[in-house]
Amino acid sequence: DVKVTQSSRYLVKRTGEKVFLECVQDMDHENMFWYRQDPGLGLRLIYFSYDVKMKEKGDIPEGYSVSREKKERFSLILESASTNQTSMYLCASSFSTGLTDTQYFGPGTRLTVL
Amino acid sequence: GENVEQHPSTLSVQEGDSAVIKCTYSDSASNYFPWYKQELGKRPQLIIDIRSNVGEKKDQRIAVTLNKTAKHFSLHITETQPEDSAVYFCAASKYKLSFGAGTTVTVRA
Repeated sequence: DVKVTQSSRYLVKRTGEKVFLECVQDMDHENMFWYRQDPGLGLRLIYFSYDVKMKEKGDIPEGYSVSREKKERFSLILESASTNQTSMYLCASSFSTGLTDTQYFGPGTRLTVL
Repeated sequence: GENVEQHPSTLSVQEGDSAVIKCTYSDSASNYFPWYKQELGKRPQLIIDIRSNVGEKKDQRIAVTLNKTAKHFSLHITETQPEDSAVYFCAASKYKLSFGAGTTVTVRA
């Protein structure tokens, strides 16, 4: 059974703080993704990675960076958190190198920036 | 990039009735169309998907249809049950997934 875990379920940070969100998958998946989920906007892709140390921008990368030093781990970094980054952040992973394969989601991290 | 529109945003149905959610996409090169279900407080999970070489796919009470010419695809849920209450997301992909805004389905007992 695929397991995708995220480091925190809830997180409260102050404006300007550096924030790290971590995601770990245990199925040796090639691809990992970071989305943010906002009411009425669905899931929007921030960044994804198809291999260790490889990353590509998604649809809304501004204000975010990522790191993938190990295959099982994908980190999302907010260099200087702002209130408009308050959101639910979802990590996902998938096996296929073609990217068109089932994505398995983590439980989400609800981030509040004050 | 790909733009996916999803309608309706909310849907309330009587238990036992059918529910239909429709999505349109903009990029004719998209070739993979999954549907995800997210129950309250839980993670999204894939419930069914279809690829562009197929027009229809069924799995028990759920079915998806794809019209490539019109660039739209739909999710059909028959004989709805209370456990079908959730938010449903459609998505389209040529390379990376683009999601619709979601439909909140409520099944009334």
